[in-house]
Amino acid sequence: DADVTQTPRNRITKTGKRIMLECSQTKGHDRMYWYRQDPGLGLRLIYYSFDVKDINKGEISDGYSVSRQAQAKFSLSLESAIPNQTALYFCATSSSLTGELFFGEGSRLTVL
Amino acid sequence: EDKVVQSPLSLVVHEGDTVTLNCSYEVTNFRSLLWYKQEKKAPTFLFMLTSSGIEKKSGRLSSILDKKELSSILNITATQTGDSAIYLCAHNNAGNNRKLIWGLGTSLAVNP
Repeated sequence: DADVTQTPRNRITKTGKRIMLECSQTKGHDRMYWYRQDPGLGLRLIYYSFDVKDINKGEISDGYSVSRQAQAKFSLSLESAIPNQTALYFCATSSSLTGELFFGEGSRLTVL
Repeated sequence: EDKVVQSPLSLVVHEGDTVTLNCSYEVTNFRSLLWYKQEKKAPTFLFMLTSSGIEKKSGRLSSILDKKELSSILNITATQTGDSAIYLCAHNNAGNNRKLIWGLGTSLAVNP
């Protein structure tokens, strides 16, 4: 089983719909992140959380919200999806001791 | 503003060739530089570099950091088709709660 699991892996939705991407990890890490990856723009940080009570905006948080339900779970919501949120989304974790990130397999979201 | 620049953006070589990928950075607080390999799915960790001049090695891959030149190189010797991937470089900013600043990556294609 993967250490960082994302669901769904693929999703096609329509403009205006609410979407939730979920992430769970078995690595025991305290830090969790949501990134999106777009061709030519690289990996961009949406939100990050350094523990259950800590939520921080990344560089592109507009249009997104997150919830850290437990140390092992971090979900990303798009309240009203729009086409330019079509992207590959990655959840990642790290420990407080190192900067090394461990990524989930990615969630490909298409907003029509 | 901190940034990480990778070059070249893309590279095509033949099996058996040796390649050198570059990563340069402009950052306010340096903690470490990380290299990741991304095939079709999630980025996977290769190296973390913290000290200048010390080479990290794993099989045919090696990497070294030059703090004077604010850069790092990733070398791959005797390339194989399985080395085809996007290679990502990221800086771990010690002064910014350990968020990573990513380069856009170098896309490497190794032809048989």
